[in-house]
Amino acid sequence: AQSVTQLGSHVSVSEGALVLLRCNYSSSVPPYLFWYVQYPNQGLQLLLKYTSAATLVKGINGFEAEFKKSETSFHLTKPSAHMSDAAEYFCAVSDRSSTLTFGKGTMLLVSP
Amino acid sequence: DAEITQSPRHKITETGRQVTLACHQTWNHNNMFWYRQDLGHGLRLIHYSYGVQDTNKGEVSDGYSVSRSNTEDLPLTLESAASSQTSVYFCASSESSGRVEQYFGPGTRLTVT
Repeated sequence: AQSVTQLGSHVSVSEGALVLLRCNYSSSVPPYLFWYVQYPNQGLQLLLKYTSAATLVKGINGFEAEFKKSETSFHLTKPSAHMSDAAEYFCAVSDRSSTLTFGKGTMLLVSP
Repeated sequence: DAEITQSPRHKITETGRQVTLACHQTWNHNNMFWYRQDLGHGLRLIHYSYGVQDTNKGEVSDGYSVSRSNTEDLPLTLESAASSQTSVYFCASSESSGRVEQYFGPGTRLTVT
């Protein structure tokens, strides 16, 4: 069975500070991993995905994530937070099937 | 542009009533999914379909049903709405070629009173 743990339901940063959102996964097979972002009253939008190619994945809006097999992690980072980054972020894992298992989400709060 | 739409966007219904939420996609994707989103639980899979006439149960399927009569639509039916089904419901679709990203609709906020 696959699962995702996102550490911290809320993360607060100042504008211009480093953003780090944590994701650990469990999977019985080499996983595919995804980060999605959800703005208020909207659906989910794909930020980036890892599909067993390069371990450092670059996404939209300046975000990137690094796959670390030894740590079973896929943390999301951005060097400098913008106010527009305030949203909820979801990590998801896919094993053999086309279904996704999501973490519980992390709300990113950005203060001026 | 291809898109995935959901209707209605908001609905209030009473306990015991049958409710159907619509999902329509113009991506021509074979795979379609229904999730519910609740505070503290993230997104949980209700039902999914890999093509016409195919349906599968997800993690939280009790009290819900789906049917797939064409590629574009996957309606979600609550047979007898319960207050525990008050939630935000998201439909998603993806290509059928393995483990690929899913594209999400804007969601339907359902309140059961």
